[in-house]
Amino acid sequence: QSALTQPASVSGSPGQSITISCTGTSSDVGTYNYVSWYQQYPGKAPKLIIYEVSNRPSGVSNRFSGSKSGNTASLTISGLQTEDEADYYCSSYTTTSTRVFGGGTKLTVL
Amino acid sequence: QVQLVESGGGVVQPGRSLRLSCAASGFNFIRYGFHWVRQAPGKGLEWVAVIWFDGDNENYADSVKGRFTISRDNSKNTLYLQMNSLRAEDTAVYYCARDPLTLPYFDYWGQGTLVTVSS
Repeated sequence: QSALTQPASVSGSPGQSITISCTGTSSDVGTYNYVSWYQQYPGKAPKLIIYEVSNRPSGVSNRFSGSKSGNTASLTISGLQTEDEADYYCSSYTTTSTRVFGGGTKLTVL
Repeated sequence: QVQLVESGGGVVQPGRSLRLSCAASGFNFIRYGFHWVRQAPGKGLEWVAVIWFDGDNENYADSVKGRFTISRDNSKNTLYLQMNSLRAEDTAVYYCARDPLTLPYFDYWGQGTLVTVSS
């Protein structure tokens, strides 16, 4: 099972919006609306921020939003804040009932 | 509140075995599936294994299939990962994560336990 493809890094200034892409295949992202996104600070456990492509858990800022088109899912963070600087990972359910992660994207808020 | 606390990590020689535990509290353990996810130093997340609520269904990443076994004790609210024939590439922080099963995602994570495979 190959990892989903994410850009290694993205950057933006406070107040701007950024989008992180997550490209899979017809064996995962393309078949299911079961894409989730996680935020991870250095030395900390990941935290769920988006599930089922575009749903936010309770307590997660509405500045985080998700979408999907074909084999590619996307995470958009609007109104960037310094505390958004972290690593972001996408994950998908697969046709073999396993899970797969993206390689991760380091977000830098300039 | 939901808590997942991993333990059992440490330094182990290649070819040896280790068992990780994940103690759960603050919710009805039997209603959830659980995963192990690992992260090698400086690397990304890698899914390792999943077990369903009843313990009768499991699935594994190809990289650990045949060497690792996931299990659970619903009477003790504890998840396990038995790791055999360990390799240097198994060195990582191992996280347990909860899965609501109604939709496949990881809604809560433990703090992780570090496994180092080295001679």
